[in-house]
Amino acid sequence: DVKVTQSSRYLVKRTGEKVFLECVQDMDHENMFWYRQDPGLGLRLIYFSYDVKMKEKGDIPEGYSVSREKKERFSLILESASTNQTSMYLCASLRESGELFFGEGSRLTVL
Amino acid sequence: GENVEQHPSTLSVQEGDSAVIKCTYSDSASNYFPWYKQELGKRPQLIIDIRSNVGEKKDQRIAVTLNKTAKHFSLHITETQPEDSAVYFCAARQNSGNQFYFGTGTSLTVIP
Repeated sequence: DVKVTQSSRYLVKRTGEKVFLECVQDMDHENMFWYRQDPGLGLRLIYFSYDVKMKEKGDIPEGYSVSREKKERFSLILESASTNQTSMYLCASLRESGELFFGEGSRLTVL
Repeated sequence: GENVEQHPSTLSVQEGDSAVIKCTYSDSASNYFPWYKQELGKRPQLIIDIRSNVGEKKDQRIAVTLNKTAKHFSLHITETQPEDSAVYFCAARQNSGNQFYFGTGTSLTVIP
């Protein structure tokens, strides 16, 4: 069965902390994505990766970085968390059919 | 880049009635248009999609129509049921890349 697993469903962090959001897919997909979801703003692309060690900026990369050392794992990093990064973060991988398959999401609160 | 607009942002219908959600896109190079449903607290899931070489696609109570000339596409849900209550997102993707551009979502409530 298809699976995209996000390591943490809920996180609470303090301003200035470094935050790691992990995402693992077991489908050998090349393309993986990180989105941010906010009410009224829909899904906004932060970064995506089309291969190991390859990454591309999305629409809102400021304040974020990513790491893809292995094909199955795509990590989103907040170097110094700020309150405006409080949000729902969704990881996705791209199936051969063209479907984006999403993880369950990580809800981050920055105090 | 692509700009996808989605309307309405909220929609309430009586059970059994039809619901229509509309999206427009700006880039004529977009050729794949999926619709995702997100139930409360769950991940978005693909419910139907359409490619630019097709004008309409149906799957039971759900249909999507595409007008390439006008650059708009719509989701139609007939005989709505309470379990159709969710947030629906449209998206567009270009053939040349794998970046998806999403609309801002429609919160559909089906009133029993």
